[in-house]
Amino acid sequence: EIVLTQSPGTLSLSPGERATLSCRASQRVSSSYLAWYQQKPGQAPRLLIYGASSRATGIPDRFSGSGSGTDFTLTISRLEPEDFAVYYCQQYGSSPPGSTFGQGTRLEIK
Amino acid sequence: EVQLLESGGGLVQPGGSLRLSCAASGFTFSTYAMSWVRQAPGKGLEWVSAISGSGGSTYYADSVKGRFTIFRDNSKNTLYLQMNSLRAEDTAVYYCAKDGAEQVVRVVFDYWGQGTLVTVSS
Repeated sequence: EIVLTQSPGTLSLSPGERATLSCRASQRVSSSYLAWYQQKPGQAPRLLIYGASSRATGIPDRFSGSGSGTDFTLTISRLEPEDFAVYYCQQYGSSPPGSTFGQGTRLEIK
Repeated sequence: EVQLLESGGGLVQPGGSLRLSCAASGFTFSTYAMSWVRQAPGKGLEWVSAISGSGGSTYYADSVKGRFTIFRDNSKNTLYLQMNSLRAEDTAVYYCAKDGAEQVVRVVFDYWGQGTLVTVSS
C-alpha cells in the first residue's frame, strides 16, 4: 500500500500570499495518478486537481498541481479568503483498484 | 446537474448491521464506477469500497473486507453499502462518490454526496 505524507500539517498564511503544499509518496505513483481535494468544515471534499496537474472543471487557475514519481505539490498562487480549508492528496489508478489519502494539510488564516 | 444523496446512517450497536443507500441523478449512472469513502470524526479521508459501472467488479479496503458489501441497482440509479459486524472504529461520515473516469474503475472522485453519519456504540 502506498502511504502519502503531507506537509506541513498546518500552514498559516494571509490572503494574497502564495501557498505551497507538499505530498510525498512511499512508492512511485504510476502515471501520475495523484489528485488534490479541498474540504471545508461540514462539507464534502471537492476535487481540485487530477493526474497531478490537470484542473478539475470549474477550478480557478490560481490552483495548480505539479510533480511526478513520489513528490507532488499543490500551489495556490494568491490566496483568497475562501481558500482557507483542509487539503488532501490522494493516489489512485492502482491495480487492483484502490486508493489512499494523505493525512491532510490545514490552511489557516494568519 | 449531478446529485448524490446518501441515506441510511444512524446509531447501531457493536456487532450490528446497517445498509447505506446513495441515490444518483444527473448522469448516466451505469457507465460510471462508484465508491464509498468515510471520514471518522475529526479525522482524514479513507476509501472504503468501489464498484464498476456494471456491478460485476467490486473492491474493498482491507479494514472492511469480509464485513462490508458494495452493490448497485442500475435500474434505480442507486448505490448501496451493506455493513455487517460493525465496530466502534467504523464510526464515521460515509460519502458516496462518483468516479471521474467513464467505463473504468479509476477511484478518483469528481462528485461527492453530502454524507451520512454512522455511529457504532452501545
